[in-house]
Amino acid sequence: DIVMTQTPLSSPVTLGQPASISCRSSQSLVHSDGDTYLSWLQQRPGQPPRLLIYKISNRFSGVPDRFSGSGAGTDFTLKITRVEAEDVGVYYCMQATQFPWTFGQGTKVEIK
Amino acid sequence: EVQLVESGGGLVQPGRSLRLSCTASGFTFGVYAMSWVRQAPGKGLEWVGFIRGKAYDGTTEYAASVKGRFTISRDDSKSIAYLQMNSLRTEDTAVYYCSRYVGYLGDWGQGTLVTVSS
Repeated sequence: DIVMTQTPLSSPVTLGQPASISCRSSQSLVHSDGDTYLSWLQQRPGQPPRLLIYKISNRFSGVPDRFSGSGAGTDFTLKITRVEAEDVGVYYCMQATQFPWTFGQGTKVEIK
Repeated sequence: EVQLVESGGGLVQPGRSLRLSCTASGFTFGVYAMSWVRQAPGKGLEWVGFIRGKAYDGTTEYAASVKGRFTISRDDSKSIAYLQMNSLRTEDTAVYYCSRYVGYLGDWGQGTLVTVSS
């Protein structure tokens, strides 16, 4: 199974300041079709998960442009340029390149 | 607008069975693959399984933790995906979410809580 490792697990940030979350996979996420099925999801307290980014760097419909994704192969990053109060929650990376699909442990973003 | 509504959760004893439903609307259900993801209380997300659309004969994939006990199926005429859960264990206690797969899990339901306890 592909293991997804996120760092940090907790990220206290000041409103208006940037935040960054790293996700590393135990093997390359490049699929045989050439795509890389790495997504980022946000889960606000008491809510279902919400897709932010798919295939490394594509923002999902309705996602603010302060969220961006980057990376390749086994190393990926989610960045928030200026954290807002509504960004509080847990962020997960997820790979759907190979079954079984796997998630990172989650990174809790909170306001200082 | 895409909508996914899970139902069928509740309290069940260990060893018993439960069937969850995911009722979809707002898209041509049969074309799309669907997935189930669960979240134990206070824990992270865990992928449960996946069912392909009719173009791929609705074949399925499962996490090792549920393989042989859980079965995913679909009724395209009713736009419903099912998760049949047999031989339930206390560690299956979780909120179960269904999601539509379009190369990514873009649409999610609100989830249904399954509690396995005696």
